[in-house]
Amino acid sequence: TQLLEQSPQFLSIQEGENLTVYCNSSSVFSSLQWYRQEPGEGPVLLVTVVTGGEVKKLKRLTFQFGDARKDSSLHITAAQPGDTGLYLCAGARGAGANNLFFGTGTRLTVIP
Amino acid sequence: EPEVTQTPSHQVTQMGQEVILRCVPISNHLYFYWYRQILGQKVEFLVSFYNNEISEKSEIFDDQFSVERPDGSNFTLKIRSTKLEDSAMYFCASSDRLAGEKETQYFGPGTRLLVL
Repeated sequence: TQLLEQSPQFLSIQEGENLTVYCNSSSVFSSLQWYRQEPGEGPVLLVTVVTGGEVKKLKRLTFQFGDARKDSSLHITAAQPGDTGLYLCAGARGAGANNLFFGTGTRLTVIP
Repeated sequence: EPEVTQTPSHQVTQMGQEVILRCVPISNHLYFYWYRQILGQKVEFLVSFYNNEISEKSEIFDDQFSVERPDGSNFTLKIRSTKLEDSAMYFCASSDRLAGEKETQYFGPGTRLLVL
């Protein structure tokens, strides 16, 4: 089983603060995707990272793939209440295996 | 923007009954997936499908489960004889590339299945 652990599991911060969510594994992934999921809905893709060390920015969100492709982080700058939600990382092994292994999730609450 | 759609949004069934969950993947995608999420737990892979056959399946996907692409647009998941523990949110996803080739899997809104 390819286990992806996310930390923290829950995070409650004030509007305007910065935060980082971590996604760690002992396994190597060919790519890693970050999703956001609202209650009762499907995961919505935020970004895909493929190359070790890759950094991608999506407005106030910065995603990084670890050099060894075993971990990733999501950094949010100046969090807003609209950032509230469940953030999921999901890794793919590649080499013909295309199913995603999902992390345990980080539930973020941004307080106005 | 193209999206994956799923029907029904909710399904309640009696234990032992058969259910069919339906998905319409994004039209030019070639790879299709089913995942499930038991309440409060993480999303789990069930099966992937490409070129009209299963390419990979998890240990959850036992003989009670089957998938089909009956008409070139729909992608279905059938549970032959439902059990209480099959109660979960079932997500369909589709993509146009294999993992490692900058694959992006797009998820549908899910079908909430409740087995009584």
